[in-house]
Amino acid sequence: DAKTTQPTSMDCAEGRAANLPCNHSTISGNEYVYWYRQIHSQGPQYIIHGLKNNETNEMASLIITEDRKSSTLILPHATLRDTAVYYCIVRLYSGGGADGLTFGKGTHLIIQP
Amino acid sequence: KAGVTQTPRYLIKTRGQQVTLSCSPISGHRSVSWYQQTPGQGLQFLFEYFSETQRNKGNFPGRFSGRQFSNSRSEMNVSTLELGDSALYLCASSSADRGISGYTFGSGTRLTVV
Repeated sequence: DAKTTQPTSMDCAEGRAANLPCNHSTISGNEYVYWYRQIHSQGPQYIIHGLKNNETNEMASLIITEDRKSSTLILPHATLRDTAVYYCIVRLYSGGGADGLTFGKGTHLIIQP
Repeated sequence: KAGVTQTPRYLIKTRGQQVTLSCSPISGHRSVSWYQQTPGQGLQFLFEYFSETQRNKGNFPGRFSGRQFSNSRSEMNVSTLELGDSALYLCASSSADRGISGYTFGSGTRLTVV
């Protein structure tokens, strides 16, 4: 799986959009970008994933650059409950089952009141 | 629907003992993965089971083993516990169809080895 680079920490004001970058310059053509987050003392939570196109769901938006070497997770209206460690993971999807996720250090996002 | 259930939530064991942790996946999910999380190493993949077969294994010693039952419930076992095995052990389940659905994690079992 391709490696990812994320900032160690970020701050964002409550109510503003939080934009979390991820660099994955060695991504291959059939690798997906996944985002998970982990709130303190809980298990990771799936947020969103994408291959080439931008994606949006009820939690967030995922913007993937045209060359697919980087992406940005956008939380449109951050709340205090969004304070967590956010992991960007690039992996090959095997539809028949689950392969292991490779978690990096992630970005510690702190939402300020 | 019920989420991924891990038992017990907390466990204290003595060095040299063995321990068994349990994971019940979301109903209908056939794949179960296990992860170890420590402050120093972060989240690391242990192994993954699909339809009672181990499909992938992370870089852990043979003291770490697991199995999956016909109802998809899974257990992991750690023998001859070491102080360094103290960690949060997380289980995740995923559906078996070709839809990309991500993984649902449980709340984990926090193991302390003394």
